[in-house]
Amino acid sequence: EAQVTQNPRYLITVTGKKLTVTCSQNMNHEYMSWYRQDPGLGLRQIYYSMNVEVTDKGDVPEGYKVSRKEKRNFPLILESPSPNQTSLYFCASSLTGRLVWGPNTGELFFGEGSRLTVL
Amino acid sequence: KNQVEQSPQSLIILEGKNCTLQCNYTVSPFSNLRWYKQDTGRGPVSLTIMTFSENTKSNGRYTATLDADTKQSSLHITASQLSDSASYICVVTTSDNYGQNFVFGPGTRLSVLP
Repeated sequence: EAQVTQNPRYLITVTGKKLTVTCSQNMNHEYMSWYRQDPGLGLRQIYYSMNVEVTDKGDVPEGYKVSRKEKRNFPLILESPSPNQTSLYFCASSLTGRLVWGPNTGELFFGEGSRLTVL
Repeated sequence: KNQVEQSPQSLIILEGKNCTLQCNYTVSPFSNLRWYKQDTGRGPVSLTIMTFSENTKSNGRYTATLDADTKQSSLHITASQLSDSASYICVVTTSDNYGQNFVFGPGTRLSVLP
């Protein structure tokens, strides 16, 4: 089954304790990205990756790191979590990040989300 | 600045009724527009895609329209069901120097009551 898998789904941690949220996709997608979603706000992009070893900042990258060493994995790292990073996080992938015009481009496949609480 | 706006912010309707959600965008260049459905606490799922040349497209009880001239899209839900309760997010695909980019609307929260 084609899917994007995130782990953990739920996590409660304390300020300053490093954590990693994993994301894996089995669709051989080039493009992967991370978003956070807070009450009353839409999805905001944290980081994205056009392909292996290519990553770039989104709209809200402060306090986060990512890596893309393999095509299927795109972990999100919080080196020193703070309470303002309490949020619902989503990983997503898309077939390609390259500009390809047409009706079948640009569909994002999302994971089930990871709810993070930082105390 | 690329931007996607949605209205209303939230909507409550009775089961069986119809409703229409709106999306206005100022995104350039435009590649396509997708409507996603997001159930509470779950990841969004694509409902339909609209390209520049398409005016109307249906997917079951969902009908999306696109007016490329006014840069507006709508999602019409017919004969609503309780399972339609969700957030509906409008996402426009554009491009920059690096490739594709996605601009998200804030979503419309729909509640369908029995």
